[in-house]
Formats: sequence, C-alpha cells, structure tokens
Amino acid sequence: DAGVTQSPTHLIKTRGQHVTLRCSPISGHKSVSWYQQVLGQGPQFIFQYYEKEERGRGNFPDRFSARQFPNYSSELNVNALLLGDSALYLCASSLRRGEQSDFGPGTRLTVL
Amino acid sequence: EDKVVQSPLSLVVHEGDTVTLNCSYEVTNFRSLLWYKQEKKAPTFLFMLTSSGIEKKSGRLSSILDKKELFSILNITATQTGDSAVYLCAVVPGSGGSNYKLTFGKGTLLTVNP
Repeated sequence: DAGVTQSPTHLIKTRGQHVTLRCSPISGHKSVSWYQQVLGQGPQFIFQYYEKEERGRGNFPDRFSARQFPNYSSELNVNALLLGDSALYLCASSLRRGEQSDFGPGTRLTVL
Repeated sequence: EDKVVQSPLSLVVHEGDTVTLNCSYEVTNFRSLLWYKQEKKAPTFLFMLTSSGIEKKSGRLSSILDKKELFSILNITATQTGDSAVYLCAVVPGSGGSNYKLTFGKGTLLTVNP
C-alpha cells in the first residue's frame, strides 16, 4: 500500500514568492494535517482538515492557507514567503481525527 | 496551551547499551500519546499509548505511560547503530471542540556508536 505522498520533495524560492505544497493521504484516510518543522525542533501544527472542512488551525499567520479536495488530497499554500518559512513541511493522514497519524516524507522549502 | 517536554535532548551511547527516553506533558483533556522515530524526513510511527500502566512492546523497543504523573518513557534495549535517529513524543487532546492536533516535543537525538 502506498503511504502518504508529498510533492515536491525540495523547493527553493525567494522572499515574497508564493508556494503550493501537495499531499496525498493513505487510501481511505479522511483526515489530513500539515506541520512545519524547523531544524532542531519538533513539528508544529499548521492545519487539520477532515471531510474537506478545516477542523483546526495552529498559530500561523494568514499567509498560510490550505484546502482538502473531494479525493481527500490536500494543498498547503504560503504567500509572501519570508526567510523564516524555510523548513520541512510534513503532511500526516489518519483514518479519523485523533487516531494514529502517518507522515509523508515532507517537502523541504528553502527561502532565499 | 498543550506542552510536551522531552529529555534528554541528545544522547550518545555505544551499541548494546540500553537507553531510556523521557517525555512529560501538559494537555487539556488527554486522549493519547504517540512516539515517532525520525531518521531523515518522515517521522515513522512507533507506539500509541492511551491507558496508564500498560506497556507497549515491539522488538527491542517498549513504552509505558503514567497518566497520573503525566509522563511516558521509551526504552530501547541492546541498541544498534540503526537506532540512531530523533525520537519524537507527541500528545493528542481529546474531544470537546478540540481539533485533535498533535503537539510535539523537541525530540531526543540518539546517536549509537559502533
């Protein structure tokens, strides 16, 4: 069975640009969450989507947005990139909210 | 705000040693505690603990939760170089308007030398 997949693997952008990251959950998983992990820290919660609705939002500015599609895949959008947005962005899926989450390999975003 | 503190932050041992990693937490309406191993990118799931005092075991790894004292430990016996990784602890709050988000600690970087 395919695990959680994310694209792209790596991305280099410049300040002020916009980025879209994509995530496909494990088949049958309806909950998708996004996390930001900067070097030396644990992942920080950004968003959670369940059944295509936003169910939770972490302490991130409005430059961060996301959505979930009918096939349960998800996109994370970040506008007006700052140097501090450089991080590993992880997507996690679970069958239902609150259950074991399986993580994708992440997208390494570098903002120059 | 939910909080997870892991200790030690880093640890260097020799192959064959036994290690104990610690995780203490504060969470509103506790639902579960999860342990993950992160080697390069994706954290991989190790254990989910919901009940106090019940040990979860998988090979050389085991974990137990103490809901009264609000902590969990992850034990690794007979360590191997392949155990070198960051070990992450996360808590999940319960229902009641919560979004079931995972709150992670900073992780423990374990290095196992041959």
